[in-house]
Amino acid sequence: DTAVSQTPKYLVTQMGNDKSIKCEQNLGHDTMYWYKQDSKKFLKIMFSYNNKELIINETVPNRFSPKSPDKAHLNLHINSLELGDSAVYFCASSQVGTGNRGYTFGSGTRLTVV
Amino acid sequence: AQKVTQAQTEISVVEKEDVTLDCVYETRDTTYYLFWYKQPPSGELVFLIRRNSFDEQNEISGRYSWNFQKSTSSFNFTITASQVVDSAVYFCALSEASYGNNRLAFGKGNQVVVIP
Repeated sequence: DTAVSQTPKYLVTQMGNDKSIKCEQNLGHDTMYWYKQDSKKFLKIMFSYNNKELIINETVPNRFSPKSPDKAHLNLHINSLELGDSAVYFCASSQVGTGNRGYTFGSGTRLTVV
Repeated sequence: AQKVTQAQTEISVVEKEDVTLDCVYETRDTTYYLFWYKQPPSGELVFLIRRNSFDEQNEISGRYSWNFQKSTSSFNFTITASQVVDSAVYFCALSEASYGNNRLAFGKGNQVVVIP
């Protein structure tokens, strides 16, 4: 009964490959996010989807493409992986418009590009 | 634009000492939300507290306490009688109600090391 689940937890891949990270939430939230945590632990938002619509698209290379087939899923596809893409990627969800403004995070995907 | 500053990068304390983590935020909104998250060595983000801008009451939860002062735009976090299990990175974060996109902006984090 995990609230926000991401797979895989670890991903090791070679430069130039294409990979995907999947995220699913069972909280009924209408908004989902991808955050990137770099080697210095800094957490920065990459994308946000509200009811399958892209509403935040930070300065992220075009090689990163989020896809939201429905409001419970937000996947992240990365083309032509580079060494600098190595990081921990966190998926999160929230319900926009509620007074409590809670965010629930997945356990993270550690991506290592070699 | 929203901004969260956590000035202290790494803080080392001896077990049973108290430690206070400073968080200063910047926003033009009158309605906003402040958060603290803990990231232990295992890597997950653990939610600790959420406070909205209209609620300036301080809060205590066990050994954790939070001091919210709108006048100085600060939301500081104190761990009393620290334990080794408190060793983690702690993040302060801000979400503005009027931003329209619900983003959560994080500070750079405080690495707390509790020495036994």
